[in-house]
Amino acid sequence: ILNVEQSPQSLHVQEGDSTNFTCSFPSSNFYALHWYRWETAKSPEALFVMTLNGDEKKKGRISATLNTKEGYSYLYIKGSQPEDSATYLCAFITGGGADGLTFGKGTHLIIQP
Amino acid sequence: DSGVTQTPKHLITATGQRVTLRCSPRSGDLSVYWYQQSLDQGLQFLIQYYNGEERAKGNILERFSAQQFPDLHSELNLSSLELGDSALYFCASSHRDRSTDTQYFGPGTRLTVL
Repeated sequence: ILNVEQSPQSLHVQEGDSTNFTCSFPSSNFYALHWYRWETAKSPEALFVMTLNGDEKKKGRISATLNTKEGYSYLYIKGSQPEDSATYLCAFITGGGADGLTFGKGTHLIIQP
Repeated sequence: DSGVTQTPKHLITATGQRVTLRCSPRSGDLSVYWYQQSLDQGLQFLIQYYNGEERAKGNILERFSAQQFPDLHSELNLSSLELGDSALYFCASSHRDRSTDTQYFGPGTRLTVL
């Protein structure tokens, strides 16, 4: 059974501060890692799909890095804003992709004004 | 708005009953995925269809089945419902069946089994 761990489970950050959190996944048979943002009462929204070791992706103030050899990815948010409050999910898929995405339980981020 | 539609939005039914959840993918997307979000669980992958054929199977119970029709919409059938089947069911779509394709999620159907 694949295990995707996200930490911390929840995080309170002051508006304007930068923050980051972690997604850990099995390093063997890696194929791709997906990051999603899930706001309350909405559906998960895709942020990044990452495949290569050392990959870095950026979308506005949000960026992500990937280390497939050690099995982790970091998501960074620079200058947090109240609208960044959401649950951030990562999802892992093995080689061949025959099993669908395996999601972590997410990091619940609350930005305090 | 992701372009993926799901109906109904809410469904309340009794144990032992059977329900059908419907999903229409984004225009041009050939793959449809079904996920279940229970109270204490993360998003669990159930099943994937690509261009009408089953492509991948996850933690889907035998009481559950799905299909994808020629117009690419998909239905998830849940039968002999139990209290533990109460959950949020999401459908997602992607253009192809590649693991690197972005999956776009619908608004979900909240199922309550009483």
